[in-house]
Amino acid sequence: EVHLVESGGGLVQPGGSLRLSCAVSGFTFSRSWMGWVRQAPGKGLEWVANINQDGSEKSYVDSVKGRFTISRDNAQNSLYLQMHNLRAEDTAVYYCASLRRGPWHFDFWGRGTLVIVSS
Amino acid sequence: QSVVTQPPSASGTPGQRVTISCSGSSSNIGIQTVNWYQQLPGMAPKLLIYNNDQRPSGVPDRFSGSKSGTSASLAISGLLSEDEAEYYCAVWDMSLNGPVFGGGTNLAVL
Repeated sequence: EVHLVESGGGLVQPGGSLRLSCAVSGFTFSRSWMGWVRQAPGKGLEWVANINQDGSEKSYVDSVKGRFTISRDNAQNSLYLQMHNLRAEDTAVYYCASLRRGPWHFDFWGRGTLVIVSS
Repeated sequence: QSVVTQPPSASGTPGQRVTISCSGSSSNIGIQTVNWYQQLPGMAPKLLIYNNDQRPSGVPDRFSGSKSGTSASLAISGLLSEDEAEYYCAVWDMSLNGPVFGGGTNLAVL
């Protein structure tokens, strides 16, 4: 059975940093693209970042470029999102998801971790 | 405001067939496949349809997807109360190298 479990969310002040983690089991993590998608309170889904199987290819939505870094540890079956210089508008539930290419789709999702940026 | 547009709400009665639209352009839906996600209240999104009209294992055949030109549609037949959820379409954006989600459609089963 596939499991994706996010952790690391919490309350952080504007300008602060946070590192999210996603522990994966139930499929071959090292062969999968992965991504982060967020959802602000009461709002829709917004893609944040993608990473390929070996971490050599990364993409980000414009609003987080230069502040967020996606990474992975295939030995630990884990995905990460390092977030710096956080803003109030980054407040959201952050979901990790496995990304299938050709044709693309996020097939499995975690339950999410809540990040609140507030003073 | 997303470049992919969905109606904010839809409704139907049990047993009815409802359709949710997803409108884009020649630079997104016109050239890329569309996926649909269902998000039940308080839950994570779940893949409902991928590659325009393919259902993952376990998704009932009451759910179907289609695409024509720069628009896509999700149809739900035999509506059940448990279908009350938010539905999102999504399409790959080659310039972003990532997906763009529609704003979501809140489906009410009356």
